[in-house]
Amino acid sequence: ETGVTQTPRHLVMGMTNKKSLKCEQHLGHNAMYWYKQSAKKPLELMFVYSLEERVENNSVPSRFSPECPNSSHLFLHLHTLQPEDSALYLCASSQEVGNNEQFFGPGTRLTVL
Amino acid sequence: GQQLNQSPQSMFIQEGEDVSMNCTSSSIFNTWLWYKQDPGEGPVLLIALYKAGELTSNGRLTAQFGITRKDSFLNISASIPSDVGIYFCAGRTFGNEKLTFGTGTRLTIIP
Repeated sequence: ETGVTQTPRHLVMGMTNKKSLKCEQHLGHNAMYWYKQSAKKPLELMFVYSLEERVENNSVPSRFSPECPNSSHLFLHLHTLQPEDSALYLCASSQEVGNNEQFFGPGTRLTVL
Repeated sequence: GQQLNQSPQSMFIQEGEDVSMNCTSSSIFNTWLWYKQDPGEGPVLLIALYKAGELTSNGRLTAQFGITRKDSFLNISASIPSDVGIYFCAGRTFGNEKLTFGTGTRLTIIP
């Protein structure tokens, strides 16, 4: 238990669906992250939030839309995804942006049909 | 951007054996981190290194920050079944807030 929870753990969706991934951290951290993990590829940083403000957007397609309503919660809204978007989506948090120790959630395994 | 080469990609060992893996970069790093990921879970931080030459242990795990600042090593002594998983290195260069991750080393223990 790392103090970062993610729901759902598994999600199967069609290309026309709209769904959301949720992340919650119970560590009192100020920074939260979304990563994409595909097979045999390094973790890809998608978004970084610091105190609810987006500070990094790594050229992610607009079909991925993040939302950070407060420093404990982070969402990733999904719409009109493609099969190549199937991956494990990991949420992480750290005390501050740039702080070395990032704590990861268990991830959401997403399959796009 | 920075790239991290992690090797080996996979290891098949017997219980009780020692394990060594490494990570190299084309850039100078000021931080090296080692994570382990169990199946169906997110990565868990094992060891953090902040100074060139630093050697840090966490139980049976020992990691070193290379003198050149371009590499790091992780050793596991006397492996046990729960060591199975994927080990990732990650690093950060000076002035860069982002972590760069390696592609992972998959460790399998043969009965």
